Amino acid sequence: GENVEQHPSTLSVQEGDSAVIKCTYSDSASNYFPWYKQELGKGPQLIIDIRSNVGEKKDQRIAVTLNKTAKHFSLHITETQPEDSAVYFCAANPSGYSTLTFGKGTMLLVSP
Amino acid sequence: SAVISQKPSRDICQRGTSLTIQCQVDSQVTMMFWYRQQPGQSLTLIATANQGSEATYESGFVIDKFPISRPNLTFSTLTVSNMSPEDSSIYLCSVEVPAGGSYEQYFGPGTRLTVT
Repeated sequence: GENVEQHPSTLSVQEGDSAVIKCTYSDSASNYFPWYKQELGKGPQLIIDIRSNVGEKKDQRIAVTLNKTAKHFSLHITETQPEDSAVYFCAANPSGYSTLTFGKGTMLLVSP
Repeated sequence: SAVISQKPSRDICQRGTSLTIQCQVDSQVTMMFWYRQQPGQSLTLIATANQGSEATYESGFVIDKFPISRPNLTFSTLTVSNMSPEDSSIYLCSVEVPAGGSYEQYFGPGTRLTVT
């Protein structure tokens, strides 16, 4: 089955710095790669996603890149703010189906 | 997107009892999913629930322990049966909705279950 590895497990940055979270996946048939932000006591919130026919996607301060050959994708957050502090999860859809396999999560802490 | 609500938001239950969690979405959706998130951990898919058919369970999850109903296109329930402390988790429902010619998956706020 699909295996999604996520690094780092924790990331501390100063406000205004950039943050990068990386994920690798094992199933070459995966074609959908969403990123979720989960704040304490809340459900995961979809923040950006990318599909296999695209190499990069950007939405304001957030961008995601995908390298299908190497089977890895990354989340980039620029100009970080304290409200970006949360746990971020990457995911991939094994065999191209609707179900998602999640990485273990990255706790991002942005210090003022 | 989709607006998803879950009831209850949290509960404390005694071992051996059962709890039914409700999930309501504001639009008709074909695919609904139930996930479990153990304390401080990632999300693990329990089952896929499509209206009009039996739920499909992932390895390690069985219908007797986690029966699911999907009576219509906006509602589903997950029951956690004969609970033990190991069932203490956040239970999340999610839905797949059309987006830009494909699909996106959205999550509800979760049900925080503590079993004593």
